[in-house]
Amino acid sequence: LAKTTQPISMDSYEGQEVNITCSHNNIATNDYITWYQQFPSQGPRFIIQGYKTKVTNEVASLFIPADRKSSTLSLPRVSLSDTAVYYCLVGGGATNKLIFGTGTLLAVQP
Amino acid sequence: DTAVSQTPKYLVTQMGNDKSIKCEQNLGHDTMYWYKQDSKKFLKIMFSYNNKELIINETVPNRFSPKSPDKAHLNLHINSLELGDSAVYFCASSDSLPGQGIYEQYFGPGTRLTVT
Repeated sequence: LAKTTQPISMDSYEGQEVNITCSHNNIATNDYITWYQQFPSQGPRFIIQGYKTKVTNEVASLFIPADRKSSTLSLPRVSLSDTAVYYCLVGGGATNKLIFGTGTLLAVQP
Repeated sequence: DTAVSQTPKYLVTQMGNDKSIKCEQNLGHDTMYWYKQDSKKFLKIMFSYNNKELIINETVPNRFSPKSPDKAHLNLHINSLELGDSAVYFCASSDSLPGQGIYEQYFGPGTRLTVT
């Protein structure tokens, strides 16, 4: 079973780039890495997904090293509205296991 | 239009009661999920159904029973509720199977269950 851990919290200021890491030492060969954002009293919302190397979309980038034992979500130029809890999710491979990370509370200050 | 909806949004009940939470998605997805988020905000998958067939069944007490009358609905029935069942329960759906690798899950707004 992949055990996924994240820093409990991070602080940032508006306009800065924020990098949130997720450790998943036991990731399976076919597992994907997905990141979700959750605001209070709402369900998680998809941000980005990747398998290896780098993936970029309009809101974030995802960096995955060759050994895939960790991943980094990069949010460019955060704003106050990016204050939320961010979760990594490891799974989707042949084992059908889906393991959420412990979550990182990102607090963006003006 | 709400993509994934859950009812009720809040549910307060006493120990020993039986309750159900309903979930509906209008996205045309084949796969639906139930997750539990505890007081520490940890998210854990409970069940997943694909086209009305159970494909993920994590270690969950058998007091929890999912029911999928059709692929747009996945309901969660809980028997003999216990204090430890208090949590937020999220329903989600996706257009591919876990195991296919590529999937984006759409989550409902959650149902906050409080057992007293």
